[in-house]
Amino acid sequence: EDQVTQSPEALRLQEGESSSLNCSYTVSGLRGLFWYRQDPGKGPEFLFTLYSAGEEKEKERLKATLTKKESFLHITAPKPEDSATYLCAVQAGDSGYALNFGKGTSLLVTP
Amino acid sequence: ETGVTQSPTHLIKTRGQQVTLRCSSQSGHNTVSWYQQALGQGPQFIFQYYREEENGRGNFPPRFSGLQFPNYSSELNVNALELDDSALYLCASSLSTDNEQFFGPGTRLTVL
Repeated sequence: EDQVTQSPEALRLQEGESSSLNCSYTVSGLRGLFWYRQDPGKGPEFLFTLYSAGEEKEKERLKATLTKKESFLHITAPKPEDSATYLCAVQAGDSGYALNFGKGTSLLVTP
Repeated sequence: ETGVTQSPTHLIKTRGQQVTLRCSSQSGHNTVSWYQQALGQGPQFIFQYYREEENGRGNFPPRFSGLQFPNYSSELNVNALELDDSALYLCASSLSTDNEQFFGPGTRLTVL
């Protein structure tokens, strides 16, 4: 059975304090790993797709990386507006085209 | 370009009632997926529609059903509502079945 585990569950950072969020996965035949940002009461906002180990993608202060067992979302010099829940999801061969989500990491960046 | 839209925004129903949620996909997208998100949890896959046909289903009972229309908009129907059906229902559209999924704002359903 596919499993996606995100850590930590919650993270509090000072503005400018860089850190990383982890997403570990156990799937058969990874098709893609997706990162989303979700603000309270809203739908997830697409950030990145990663397809193969070694791949990296960047957008502003965010950088996503992928290995065969996990993905990291690195946040460099975060700002308060980066506060949100970050969700990781996998699409795997044995579960069709469904996205299998982790529970998310709730990030709070304080001034 | 208009993104994914959902209606209504909020809905309150009582146990045993039936509900219909609606979703308009992003322009050019032929695939719609529905998810249920309980408080503090990640979204759970309900089912996916591709070109008006169901293209995969998650671990949800048959009282959860759906439709996709020729313009690729979609409906989620839930019969015999239970208290545990209270959640945020999310619709996502994509260019095709294995492309990135873009989510709408969700419908918050409360079952009393």
